[in-house]
Amino acid sequence: NAGVMQNPRHLVRRRGQEARLRCSPMKGHSHVYWYRQLPEEGLKFMVYLQKENIIDESGMPKERFSAEFPKEGPSILRIQQVVRGDSAAYFCASSLDGQPQHFGDGTRLSIL
Amino acid sequence: AQTVTQSQPEMSVQEAETVTLSCTYDTSESNYYLFWYKQPPSRQMILVIRQEAYKQQNATENRFSVNFQKAAKSFSLKISDSQLGDTAMYFCASLLLFGNEKLTFGTGTRLTIIP
Repeated sequence: NAGVMQNPRHLVRRRGQEARLRCSPMKGHSHVYWYRQLPEEGLKFMVYLQKENIIDESGMPKERFSAEFPKEGPSILRIQQVVRGDSAAYFCASSLDGQPQHFGDGTRLSIL
Repeated sequence: AQTVTQSQPEMSVQEAETVTLSCTYDTSESNYYLFWYKQPPSRQMILVIRQEAYKQQNATENRFSVNFQKAAKSFSLKISDSQLGDTAMYFCASLLLFGNEKLTFGTGTRLTIIP
């Protein structure tokens, strides 16, 4: 059973470009979470989604950031007009109801 | 709101010794889970151990065990017979049982096992 798959592993963007981060949850998992880890810090919650629904986006910046988890396909975290401060590792996790979250290997986003 | 505090930024211990990592948390809820995650240099987030707050018995997983003191809101991790592969960042985290299911992490403890 494959784990949580995130791609790309590394993503480099110039300021002002768009970044798209993908996450395929573990098979059968209907809950997806996105976290951001700034250098030398812990993970901070961004958004919690279930299929076609955003359940909690209280940790996501109001501007430039959006997330989706469509009926078919992976969850996408989209960052528009990236700035240097967006440089971080972005982790996706998935779970079943009431079960621990399993994490992907993360996407390291670097902004030039 | 939940908060998780790890007061030890860095620790080191000789191989085969025992080490304890500290974690305190604050929540007004009574139903929650507590976790320890390990993040090696490869940056994966690996679940080490989980504790349900309603269980009095401390969780154990092989060489890893916790000391859960609910009244004191303390949740320390003990690693016995430490191995070189235990070198990693360790994050304590909490999750409300009937909340929005987001994990709240501490700032981490960097553990180095010395050969």
